[in-house]
Amino acid sequence: NSKVIQTPRYLVKGQGQKAKMRCIPEKGHPVVFWYQQNKNNEFKFLINFQNQEVLQQIDMTEKRFSAECPSNSPCSLEIQSSEAGDSALYLCASSLLGGDEQYFGPGTRLTVL
Amino acid sequence: GEQVEQLPSILRVQEGSSASINCTYENSASNYFPWYKQEPGENPKLIIDIRSNMERKQTQGLIVLLDKKAKRFSLHITDTQPGDSAMYFCAANGPNYNVLYFGSGTKLTVEP
Repeated sequence: NSKVIQTPRYLVKGQGQKAKMRCIPEKGHPVVFWYQQNKNNEFKFLINFQNQEVLQQIDMTEKRFSAECPSNSPCSLEIQSSEAGDSALYLCASSLLGGDEQYFGPGTRLTVL
Repeated sequence: GEQVEQLPSILRVQEGSSASINCTYENSASNYFPWYKQEPGENPKLIIDIRSNMERKQTQGLIVLLDKKAKRFSLHITDTQPGDSAMYFCAANGPNYNVLYFGSGTKLTVEP
């Protein structure tokens, strides 16, 4: 039911390498969320955008991640220097402005060796 | 706080019986409570949700109940089938920008 597109589906990086993943939100959805789901199935909110503007982000994202949602281009989330603990499923979700429902993309599964 | 507690973590039921999952939340400003089903290797899929102006919602064999006073909400799956076997996650929205805070998940196994 979700029309959110995420690429790549799988990403393997060495420690210290950059890891970049992309998300195309559902058409007409200006709000984009990134979450991390770790191997224990725990979800962590990372950052969200309304159009190109950051609405909220956690400390970790601010310090170690680079994220943007340029107009007419996919949103992206990039880990500047991957750590083993970053191995997780990265989920992008989008919603309507003022809407509650968030539909997730297929996710990018990152493995940091 | 934004913590969402979910129980049980593991649930095994016989096909045809019901399954119930319970969640509690901390933030009294939360007003949106979705439930997601996640199968192995897949993304979480929104299966039902409830807003704070309702106490009960039902769709296609799923019932969600919300008790705002107790800050508790629950999912009830009636007439379970093997295809219902999956991880289920509850969530509640936080005070800012509808960020969702998730429970720790329930692994449901429906045995034939």
